[in-house]
Amino acid sequence: EAGVTQFPSHSVIEKGQTVTLRCDPISGHDNLYWYRRVMGKEIKFLLHFVKESKQDESGMPNNRFLAERTGGTYSTLKVQPAELEDSGVYFCASSLQGWTLHFGNGTRLTVT
Amino acid sequence: GESVGLHLPTLSVQEGDNSIINCAYSNSASDYFIWYKQESGKGPQFIIDIRSNMDKRQGQRVTVLLNKTVKHLSLQIAATQPGDSAVYFCAENRGGSQGNLIFGKGTKLSVKP
Repeated sequence: EAGVTQFPSHSVIEKGQTVTLRCDPISGHDNLYWYRRVMGKEIKFLLHFVKESKQDESGMPNNRFLAERTGGTYSTLKVQPAELEDSGVYFCASSLQGWTLHFGNGTRLTVT
Repeated sequence: GESVGLHLPTLSVQEGDNSIINCAYSNSASDYFIWYKQESGKGPQFIIDIRSNMDKRQGQRVTVLLNKTVKHLSLQIAATQPGDSAVYFCAENRGGSQGNLIFGKGTKLSVKP
């Protein structure tokens, strides 16, 4: 089966610009998660979708971040406007049931 | 690269030796623990998990030990191979929602041929 795919793999934008990251989970996985690892920090949870509903968004850092999962398939994470401290690697993961998360390879975001 | 600014503990072992990677956690409410392996340019890959009602769990060449008394988790890799070289993360769930995991800083394992 195809794994979790993320696009783009790298993105370089200027401070104040907008970036949209996309995640395609494994087909049939209702659970979709976003995590990120900013420079010098651990990997941190952002939010969890069950189908198209946000189950837990306690990790979203501020209102510059907007996650959507229309139709319960792929998800997007928009950062608007981007700040320097948003630079890092953004991971998406999905799971069918239970706790076994399958991670994508991440999107490396650089804000200059 | 991604690890700049994040000084990871490093474990260097000889090919064929056993590796032990340790992790400490602080929250006694944590009830689920996972070990992930992350190779360069890839996302974390699930290795093995354990629930708090267990002390030990074995997989293929890997064993996870959980000591709740001292809040310590370890990953043992038997007969370490060059392909095991990666950064290893422990993660825990502190009773939060499914998939809301707290990751550790990671340990870099280097296997010398």
